[in-house]
Amino acid sequence: EVQLVESGGDVVQPGGSLRLSCALSGFTFGDYWMHWVRQVPGQGLVWVSRINGDGTTTNYADSVKGRFTISKDNAKNTLYLQMNSLRAEDTAVYYCVRVLGGVSLHNEPYDIWGHGAMVIVSS
Amino acid sequence: QSVLTQPPSVSGAPGQRVTIPCTGSSSNIGADYDVHWYQHLPGTAPKLFIYGNINRPSGVPDRFSGSKSGTSASLAITGLQAEDEADYYCQSYDSSLNAYVFGTGTKVTVL
Repeated sequence: EVQLVESGGDVVQPGGSLRLSCALSGFTFGDYWMHWVRQVPGQGLVWVSRINGDGTTTNYADSVKGRFTISKDNAKNTLYLQMNSLRAEDTAVYYCVRVLGGVSLHNEPYDIWGHGAMVIVSS
Repeated sequence: QSVLTQPPSVSGAPGQRVTIPCTGSSSNIGADYDVHWYQHLPGTAPKLFIYGNINRPSGVPDRFSGSKSGTSASLAITGLQAEDEADYYCQSYDSSLNAYVFGTGTKVTVL
């Protein structure tokens, strides 16, 4: 079964750091682009970042650029999101998502979602 | 930021047809990027319901259909059922923002 399981969510003070992990199973990690999407409670979904199959290409939303770093370890089948200089507005549920393979760039849907990790930034 | 606009809520009686519009612009839907739709039940992982504007993944009931025209897209639910109560989000790509973008979300209520 294809599965994504996030971990690492926590309560952290403003200015602090946190690393989220996403463990994958049931598919070949290196064949897919992977993204992080977040949702502030009571609000909509927002794209955060993406990384390609071999980890050589990354992109970020302007709101997190320079503060967040996406990475992956194909040997461990794990996706990461390192979050630094956290702000109150980063409080959200963070979803690890897989992009459907074989679709042209920028037209990819998210076919597999994790259940999310809650990050709360508060003093 | 949500650059795709959806109504906050739509409702209908069981068996009725409802549609959820998703309005974009010339830098996203109007730039010929595909639109996808997700169903989200609170506390669960969102689920892909329509991809590539009109395609249904395996397991999604055929009462759900998608369409796209110009700078807008829409999701239609025919024969509305109680289990369809959920939040629905459209999603595409925006070339001006260089970002994947989501709609504001629509809560479907079955009366």
